[in-house]
Amino acid sequence: EAQVTQNPRYLITVTGKKLTVTCSQNMNHEYMSWYRQDPGLGLRQIYYSMNVEVTDKGDVPEGYKVSRKEKRNFPLILESPSPNQTSLYFCASSGRTPYPTDTQYFGPGTRLTVL
Amino acid sequence: QQQVKQSPQSLIVQKGGISIINCAYENTAFDYFPWYQQFPGKGPALLIAIRPDVSEKKEGRFTISFNKSAKQFSLHIMDSQPGDSATYFCAASWVNTGKLIFGQGTTLQVKP
Repeated sequence: EAQVTQNPRYLITVTGKKLTVTCSQNMNHEYMSWYRQDPGLGLRQIYYSMNVEVTDKGDVPEGYKVSRKEKRNFPLILESPSPNQTSLYFCASSGRTPYPTDTQYFGPGTRLTVL
Repeated sequence: QQQVKQSPQSLIVQKGGISIINCAYENTAFDYFPWYQQFPGKGPALLIAIRPDVSEKKEGRFTISFNKSAKQFSLHIMDSQPGDSATYFCAASWVNTGKLIFGQGTTLQVKP
């Protein structure tokens, strides 16, 4: 089954404790992206990757890191989480087209709470 | 410059009615305008998208109207059904880039 998986699905942590949210896709997609969703603000893009070893900032990259060492995986790293990073996070992927954000497959989401 | 503004924030429509959600953008370099639908507890899913070389695109009961001069685009849902109750996001992007700018979202409730 074609899918994007995220782990963990729920996480409660404390300020300053480094964490990683994993994202994996099994569709051989070149494009992957991370978003956060907050009430009243909609979805905001954090980072995206057009291909292996190629990453670029979205609208809200501060406080986040990513890496794309393999095509299928695109982990999101919070080196020192803060309460304002409490949010619902989505990973997405899509195939190579002139519009990579076209027909993105979204993961199920990770709800993160930073105390 | 890169904002996409969406309205209304919430919308209640009777079954069979027309739902209309509007978006406005500032950056004239945008050349791709998708709409996403999100049900509670799920990730967003692409609903329909338009490029600025056309003024309208229709897929079933869903239609995007695009006004390039006004820098506005809208989603019309004809014959709205309770199953259409969801949050809708407009967005904007550019060719050959992975960057995507979303609107703030509209929560639609269709009453039976």
